[in-house]
Amino acid sequence: SQKIEQNSEALNIQEGKTATLTCNYTNYSPAYLQWYRQDPGRGPVFLLLIRENEKEKRKERLKVTFDTTLKQSLFHITASQPADSATYLCALDPQAGTALIFGKGTTLSVSS
Amino acid sequence: DAGITQSPRHKVTETGTPVTLRCHQTENHRYMYWYRQDPGHGLRLIHYSYGVKDTDKGEVSDGYSVSRSKTEDFLLTLESATSSQTSVYFCAIGGSGGANTGELFFGEGSRLTVL
Repeated sequence: SQKIEQNSEALNIQEGKTATLTCNYTNYSPAYLQWYRQDPGRGPVFLLLIRENEKEKRKERLKVTFDTTLKQSLFHITASQPADSATYLCALDPQAGTALIFGKGTTLSVSS
Repeated sequence: DAGITQSPRHKVTETGTPVTLRCHQTENHRYMYWYRQDPGHGLRLIHYSYGVKDTDKGEVSDGYSVSRSKTEDFLLTLESATSSQTSVYFCAIGGSGGANTGELFFGEGSRLTVL
């Protein structure tokens, strides 16, 4: 069956450390993978998109990797801050022209 | 911010009553989506639209219908609400097709409680 999984429901780290979130998928061959941030009571907000032919993408303190052999994406937040505390969702396109499907999310808590 | 608004933002209704949620966009985007979000399940696609009068089912479409009579509005209807449809509903625009980057822009959500 097809699945998209974010391995940890919750991740707690200290301020200043690097947070690493994992997204694994099975039985898909996505053209791209996306990461979103969601704060309590709000809609998800797009952060980064990485295409299948890209291994890594960066945006400020964020870095995403995409390994199509392992069927895995890693999302890193360096020098984490309490303001980074939120739920992070990964999403992919199951096939061209169809809607995104989402993982269940990982809730990150950064303590000062 | 993308111009996307959902109404109502909160609604409490009784089992068996019809409910319609509205999503309105000012971005003239072709694609619109309805997702529901529940603890333990994450975001799940209900229906989506790829143009006026063009819609398709998602993963959890049973019990829901949609309509898109004009580009800016996408309506989600629960013909006879059940307690299992208590959820937070998110509308989104953006996504697949052509040179589009694929990212979605979400509304603020509509919290529906079915008693």
